[in-house]
Amino acid sequence: KQEVTQIPAALSVPEGENLVLNCSFTDSAIYNLQWFRQDPGKGLTSLLLIQSSQREQTSGRLNASLDKSSGRSTLYIAASQPGDSATYLCAVTNRDDKIIFGKGTRLHILP
Amino acid sequence: EAGVTQFPSHSVIEKGQTVTLRCDPISGHDNLYWYRRVMGKEIKFLLHFVKESKQDESGMPNNRFLAERTGGTYSTLKVQPAELEDSGVYFCASSQGERTGSYEQYFGPGTRLTVT
Repeated sequence: KQEVTQIPAALSVPEGENLVLNCSFTDSAIYNLQWFRQDPGKGLTSLLLIQSSQREQTSGRLNASLDKSSGRSTLYIAASQPGDSATYLCAVTNRDDKIIFGKGTRLHILP
Repeated sequence: EAGVTQFPSHSVIEKGQTVTLRCDPISGHDNLYWYRRVMGKEIKFLLHFVKESKQDESGMPNNRFLAERTGGTYSTLKVQPAELEDSGVYFCASSQGERTGSYEQYFGPGTRLTVT
């Protein structure tokens, strides 16, 4: 059974720092992995989608990597800003097309 | 405590037909969200209810989609008439909201819609 874990559950860093959020999954037979941002009281915003054949995707200050064999993905945020404060979730789509969400990492950027 | 439930788990309909998906949030959760993943692409936000009111429906693709949440409890998402490109997995999520300040979203298992 696929399990998705995000560590840490919460993270506070000073503005301007680069940071890495982690997502691990137990079954490497995935179709893709997606990172989201969740702001309080809002719907999820899709950030990056990595297909199983890809190793990374980039969008602006965000870079997501995928290592299927080790069951890990990281979301790298460069030059963090207070506006980056949110909860970040990852979700994997299994080969059987089931989608499993992690519990998220609450990120707080200190001004 | 029961989690978010969705019905049906799988629906197969013909193009032009109507389908209604149902989501039952966790009891007491004011916020209810609909998402969908079509054709193996990314999961995208459709809309957000706070109780019975539509807070944000910016993700609704077109007027063939109608979401309701009468009484602020369960929600339905109707597709009428369904088109081939509507095939995908439709997710629902709920969160407690302002009353408790907890916005963690709990996801349902999804409804797989196949339009033939």
